Amino acid sequence: AQSVTQLDSQVPVFEEAPVELRCNYSSSVSVYLFWYVQYPNQGLQLLLKYLSGSTLVESINGFEAEFNKSQTSFHLRKPSVHISDTAEYFCAVRDDKIIFGKGTRLHILP
Amino acid sequence: GAGVSQSPRYKVAKRGQDVALRCDPISGHVSLFWYQQALGQGPEFLTYFQNEAQLDKSGLPSDRFFAERPEGSVSTLKIQRTQQEDSAVYLCASSQGGSGNTIYFGEGSWLTVV
Repeated sequence: AQSVTQLDSQVPVFEEAPVELRCNYSSSVSVYLFWYVQYPNQGLQLLLKYLSGSTLVESINGFEAEFNKSQTSFHLRKPSVHISDTAEYFCAVRDDKIIFGKGTRLHILP
Repeated sequence: GAGVSQSPRYKVAKRGQDVALRCDPISGHVSLFWYQQALGQGPEFLTYFQNEAQLDKSGLPSDRFFAERPEGSVSTLKIQRTQQEDSAVYLCASSQGGSGNTIYFGEGSWLTVV
């Protein structure tokens, strides 16, 4: 069975500092990995995804995630965060259905 | 339509009342999913359709929950005899066939049971 673990429920970080949101997964089949973002009072939006090929995937707003098969991880990183990045971030794995982690709330400190 | 549309956006139900939540997926999407998101939690899988066939309903929490998609497009999630623990956001999502395709989510139906 597939599962996703997000180790940090909340991550506070100062504006313009780097951030890493951790995600580990387990899956017995081919892995498709996703990061979704949920801004306050909004729906889930796809941030980035890994299907195959290059293990480093990027989003249009500066986030990137690296698929590491040996460590079964898909950590999300950004070199410099902005106040507008305040949101809940969900890591997910998909076979037929998508399974989400419990989420990490990113707090940007001024 | 341009995106996944859900209605009603907000619903307050008295305990014991039946509710029906509607989902209009993106046109042409064969896969449709329902998730339940409690406050401060991640979305939990409820059920999944491919066209009109309900392929997985393992996440439905009890027999009070029922979902249908009779013509392979619009779907309805019905909750009978609502209880306070049913209070959550119910998310609908759709995608084209195939596990590698992006799943697009609606904004959810916020259910509060009082």
